[in-house]
Amino acid sequence: DIQMTQSPSTLSASVGDRVTITCRASQSISRWLAWYQQKPGKAPKLLIYKASSLESGVPSRFSGSGSGTEFTLTISSLHPDDFTTYYCQQYNAYPWTFGQGTKVEIK
Amino acid sequence: QVQLQESGPGLVKPSETLSLTCTVSGGSISSYYWSWIRQPPGKGLECIGYIYYSGSTNYNPSLDSRVTMSVDTSRNQFSLRLSSVTAADTAVYYCARKSTGGWCFDYWGQGALVTVSS
Repeated sequence: DIQMTQSPSTLSASVGDRVTITCRASQSISRWLAWYQQKPGKAPKLLIYKASSLESGVPSRFSGSGSGTEFTLTISSLHPDDFTTYYCQQYNAYPWTFGQGTKVEIK
Repeated sequence: QVQLQESGPGLVKPSETLSLTCTVSGGSISSYYWSWIRQPPGKGLECIGYIYYSGSTNYNPSLDSRVTMSVDTSRNQFSLRLSSVTAADTAVYYCARKSTGGWCFDYWGQGALVTVSS
């Protein structure tokens, strides 16, 4: 299985900050990567697919980049609603696998 | 707006079979792939497998020997059965729809917590 490693595991930031989360794959996955936001007690919400395509209805402060084995999710200016957990997911090779998650917390 | 809703017992005894159903509303189950994904308490996400509306399936090899998925297009439902459960199978189980953008998931159910305990 392809291993997905996110860093950092926890990120402390303030409202208005620009933050970046990194996701690394154990082998090349081209651009077959998605990002999700998950709030406590809720299902994940798709933010980004194919590494950089913004899902419909997702605010433009979210952006994704990368290819091969290294990817980033950037939030250009943190809103209060953005303090939660984010997961990456590869879908280059089955079984699809997720990163362990990055929690964005208030500094 | 497509909505998914999981249903089934919240408590299953060790060695027994976990059974969940996902009901799709606001859209047809046809022409889409549907998945089950689980999340142990406080942990990350694991894909269990997927089923096409035609009934073809693909399971995660780590669970393949214990998983069965089925679909009922007349009821707009698909189902999961996981046999010989242990405490390690305690998790929130989500049903989800494959996105048109690839093998990621654009619609999710709210999740069903299933606890394996005697």
